[in-house]
Amino acid sequence: GAVVSQHPSWVICKSGTSVKIECRSLDFQATTMFWYRQFPKQSLMLMATSNEGSKATYEQGVEKDKFLINHASLTLSTLTVTSAHPEDSSFYICSATNLIGYEQYFGPGTRLTVT
Amino acid sequence: AQSVAQPEDQVNVAEGNPLTVKCTYSVSGNPYLFWYVQYPNRGLQFLLKYITGDNLVKGSYGFEAEFNKSQTSFHLKKPSALVSDSALYFCAVRDGASNDYKLSFGAGTTVTVRA
Repeated sequence: GAVVSQHPSWVICKSGTSVKIECRSLDFQATTMFWYRQFPKQSLMLMATSNEGSKATYEQGVEKDKFLINHASLTLSTLTVTSAHPEDSSFYICSATNLIGYEQYFGPGTRLTVT
Repeated sequence: AQSVAQPEDQVNVAEGNPLTVKCTYSVSGNPYLFWYVQYPNRGLQFLLKYITGDNLVKGSYGFEAEFNKSQTSFHLKKPSALVSDSALYFCAVRDGASNDYKLSFGAGTTVTVRA
């Protein structure tokens, strides 16, 4: 149980375009989802917290107009990187919690490369 | 405020030897502590957690961790390491009194188990 999927697993896009990453909880209802960014061999940096049916809460320094987060249902959250630039290239990981257990369940990650 | 320190960037052990990955934490309220493991280009896999109760926590794949409140530590241990345990390990903490469920991660420790 407690499986989280992400799609796509990797994506290459051109500078200036937008790309959408999906995060789904497959076997539980995720009241809260989190989006992280990870640079090579570094720790996870929390970008935002997403609650179903409400606006995401962004961490300090994260541009909310650039990283659009939508949590439309209890099983789906999306992260859209708008007007992507090469510096947005990174590994993006989502996690989900149902607020019943205590741990977050992580997706497999999405490798974004902006050329 | 909450934070985690993993003082060792790398830990190298021979297969069959004990493995220890160190973690210390700082949190205002009650610490909820977690260990995750990450394999290359993958998301994080949950290993174990401490919420309350017995200070010695047993988790997946033969790992265990001991919560030490006086030393604010939560070291991960495995009595006999396997080559397949080679991965990146993250310790994480959140404040049990907080409603935001945010995790703070350590910088990560790369474990290499040599045959």
